[in-house]
Amino acid sequence: DQQVKQNSPSLSVQEGRISILNCDYTNSMFDYFLWYKKYPAEGPTFLISISSIKDKNEDGRFTVFLNKSAKHLSLHIVPSQPGDSAVYFCAASASYDMRFGAGTRLTVKP
Amino acid sequence: NAGVTQTPKFQVLKTGQSMTLQCAQDMNHEYMSWYRQDPGMGLRLIHYSVGAGITDQGEVPNGYNVSRSTTEDFPLRLLSAAPSQTSVYFCASSPPRQGKNYGYTFGSGTRLTVV
Repeated sequence: DQQVKQNSPSLSVQEGRISILNCDYTNSMFDYFLWYKKYPAEGPTFLISISSIKDKNEDGRFTVFLNKSAKHLSLHIVPSQPGDSAVYFCAASASYDMRFGAGTRLTVKP
Repeated sequence: NAGVTQTPKFQVLKTGQSMTLQCAQDMNHEYMSWYRQDPGMGLRLIHYSVGAGITDQGEVPNGYNVSRSTTEDFPLRLLSAAPSQTSVYFCASSPPRQGKNYGYTFGSGTRLTVV
């Protein structure tokens, strides 16, 4: 039973444009949401997070939006750069039980 | 600052063999966990520990054992390897959840093949 779902296995965008990665969750007990970035042959790297009491969090080019009523979060990357090409994992947690989505492979074309 | 160190990086086992995947962190993190990554499944939690002497099961614990005798180390034991355990294994650590920096620090992974 996947409690965190990323329905788009891949996304391709042009350099300089916006990348929008989406994530849905089913467990209403989740109160903390995170995005991780993963390059091949490396472990995931923490990117940005948001708690359930907020609906937006920004960090430079990265913004995470949370819609609790829809149980949906998204990651916006503006502007996208070729170095952003990686697999992005959405994660959600209640206490220390953190669940991950299957990942979305982002390709940013020069 | 080494962060989270996993050994070995690659391993091939025969069905029925046992082995231990090592994980060590030097950040004095209380929380440590093991995940496996399979195609189309994302990362699934195997076991986790909130401190020395305390462990608990995650989503997919069957076939794996853990112990946490020190803050630094959290080994994962495969008791009798099966082909279904072919996967990439990641160890992660984190400071207390209430801390500002809640994101996990992951190791670089162990790629395990069971034949």
